[in-house]
Amino acid sequence: DGGITQSPKYLFRKEGQNVTLSCEQNLNHDAMYWYRQDPGQGLRLIYYSQIVNDFQKGDIAEGYSVSREKKESFPLTVTSAQKNPTAFYLCASSIVGGLAYNEQFFGPGTRLTVL
Amino acid sequence: QKEVEQNSGPLSVPEGAIASLNCTYSDRGSQSFFWYRQYSGKSPELIMSIYSNGDKEDGRFTAQLNKASQYVSLLIRDSQPSDSATYLCAVGTGNQFYFGTGTSLTVIP
Repeated sequence: DGGITQSPKYLFRKEGQNVTLSCEQNLNHDAMYWYRQDPGQGLRLIYYSQIVNDFQKGDIAEGYSVSREKKESFPLTVTSAQKNPTAFYLCASSIVGGLAYNEQFFGPGTRLTVL
Repeated sequence: QKEVEQNSGPLSVPEGAIASLNCTYSDRGSQSFFWYRQYSGKSPELIMSIYSNGDKEDGRFTAQLNKASQYVSLLIRDSQPSDSATYLCAVGTGNQFYFGTGTSLTVIP
């Protein structure tokens, strides 16, 4: 089955800890994205990557870091510098190219809670 | 600042009725428009995409786009209780999407 997987489903972080959220896709998509969703708010872009070994900051990149060493994988690290990390984190992927045909498909999400 | 505005609702319709969801956007250069459905506690699921002015129909769903008015809508015909969810409007420019805050829809049996 083609799709996007995220792990873990739930994650608890203590103050001062770095945690890494996993995102893997087997859709052969070139682009991958990380979003954050807070209650009553829209999705906000953290980072995105269109090719291996390259990524760009989104609107709320402070306190987060990513890597893209493989096409299939785009892990997100939430660092201790992120002061309010409790949120629902969503990974997405899409093809690249063309003016408009870049539908994004989402993984199941990771719910992060700071203890 | 690229903005996507949606009525937050909640919108309630009786079963079998037509639900109408609306979205406006600020960036005239936007090229692609999407509707996602999100059930409580779940991730968004793509239900419609539209790229040119006019209507696009897929089963009970119809997306309508008016670029001159910077307006996109989603109609759900013969609404079912299983349609009860939050509907997110997303507007794409190149490789970035901008999402609205979503409209909560409840279909009353």
